[in-house]
Amino acid sequence: DTEVTQTPKHLVMGMTNKKSLKCEQHMGHRAMYWYKQKAKKPPELMFVYSYEKLSINESVPSRFSPECPNSSLLNLHLHALQPEDSALYLCASSSWAGVTSTDTQYFGPGTRLTVL
Amino acid sequence: DQQVKQNSPSLSVQEGRISILNCDYTNSMFDYFLWYKKYPAEGPTFLISISSIKDKNEDGRFTVFLNKSAKHLSLHIVPSQPGDSAVYFCAALRGATNKLIFGTGTLLAVQP
Repeated sequence: DTEVTQTPKHLVMGMTNKKSLKCEQHMGHRAMYWYKQKAKKPPELMFVYSYEKLSINESVPSRFSPECPNSSLLNLHLHALQPEDSALYLCASSSWAGVTSTDTQYFGPGTRLTVL
Repeated sequence: DQQVKQNSPSLSVQEGRISILNCDYTNSMFDYFLWYKKYPAEGPTFLISISSIKDKNEDGRFTVFLNKSAKHLSLHIVPSQPGDSAVYFCAALRGATNKLIFGTGTLLAVQP
């Protein structure tokens, strides 16, 4: 089973709202990721959590705040977003032994975010 | 700087024929390569991968070839089926990092 789940599937929010995206996996994976994908573009890495600690932040604006409550869950808290933040937000996970690069990331279905 | 490139934005193939999707990379430190298939408004689905110590990996209808000297990899789909119509991304990993770098994608259309 290589399932990563994401909720909600769609989200519409105003620029003053606070909302959260949720991601869950039960594969025992120790690395989890947030990506952002704009239309007709490849996914772009935002954050990486390894063993529940933030290991990579790709210079993402502070209006995006990730959280990893436990090894199965990953949240992305959103506050004061801009219309240009509208995109498909993808979560992924991988087994990540930490010493090998042959680490396959498995993606969830994504959350389609629209900022008005 | 686009480290992973897919120079063909689209490809059209007849059902039953071979589809060949190409990918070039510039960073010689990449040592693991993956292909993902993506439908609109869905997450990428992992298809097949190859380590840099190999030059070929096969899984059913899908075969990936790696030419390290040319920094080039390709995905062959044989026979192509209409359900294969999607955007295909190649992606690369460098060393013991978990930063996956995606190519720009190729839209494959398999005509019945």
